[in-house]
Amino acid sequence: GDSVTQMEGPVTLSEEAFLTINCTYTATGYPSLFWYVQYPGEGLQLLLKATKADDKGSNKGFEATYRKETTSFHLEKGSVQVSDSAVYFCALRGNYNQGGKLIFGQGTELSVKP
Amino acid sequence: EPEVTQTPSHQVTQMGQEVILRCVPISNHLYFYWYRQILGQKVEFLVSFYNNEISEKSEIFDDQFSVERPDGSNFTLKIRSTKLEDSAMYFCASLAGAGEETQYFGPGTRLLVL
Repeated sequence: GDSVTQMEGPVTLSEEAFLTINCTYTATGYPSLFWYVQYPGEGLQLLLKATKADDKGSNKGFEATYRKETTSFHLEKGSVQVSDSAVYFCALRGNYNQGGKLIFGQGTELSVKP
Repeated sequence: EPEVTQTPSHQVTQMGQEVILRCVPISNHLYFYWYRQILGQKVEFLVSFYNNEISEKSEIFDDQFSVERPDGSNFTLKIRSTKLEDSAMYFCASLAGAGEETQYFGPGTRLLVL
């Protein structure tokens, strides 16, 4: 079945460092890909998405490109801030006919130090 | 901005008791979902609901679970006889329609079964 694999956390960076969180997926067909963020004590918020190959999703300085050839959707940010500390989830949405459930990776905790 | 709301935010119950978790999806959304996140683990799909019936359910969603949309606004998840392993954060999500991509999540209900 469909699945998502993320790099293990926690990831600890200094402010203004470059961030990459790796995400790869296995899916039949052409899934849509998402990054959700969960700040401490809060629910899941959509960070960015891409619906087809070579699309780049971007938001708040974060970006990720849908790479079909490598089945990847790595999250990047050029300069992280303390306020970016959160858990980041990569997810895919596959078959619409079955209600379009989201399949999540295990989450990667990011901690940014001043 | 419209948002998904969930009540209660926290619930503590004794093993074997019934619990009902409540969600108010975004008005005019058509697809509804429940997910759960056991502490430290990935977010897992439980069930999707459309047109007043379940469209897909996971292996986790056994006979102890049920969902209902009793009126035009609420969407509930009932666990008939809770087990210790049901302790988790439960998230409700809604989606505007089949052509849309973004599921909007509520803040979650943290369920603790003692």
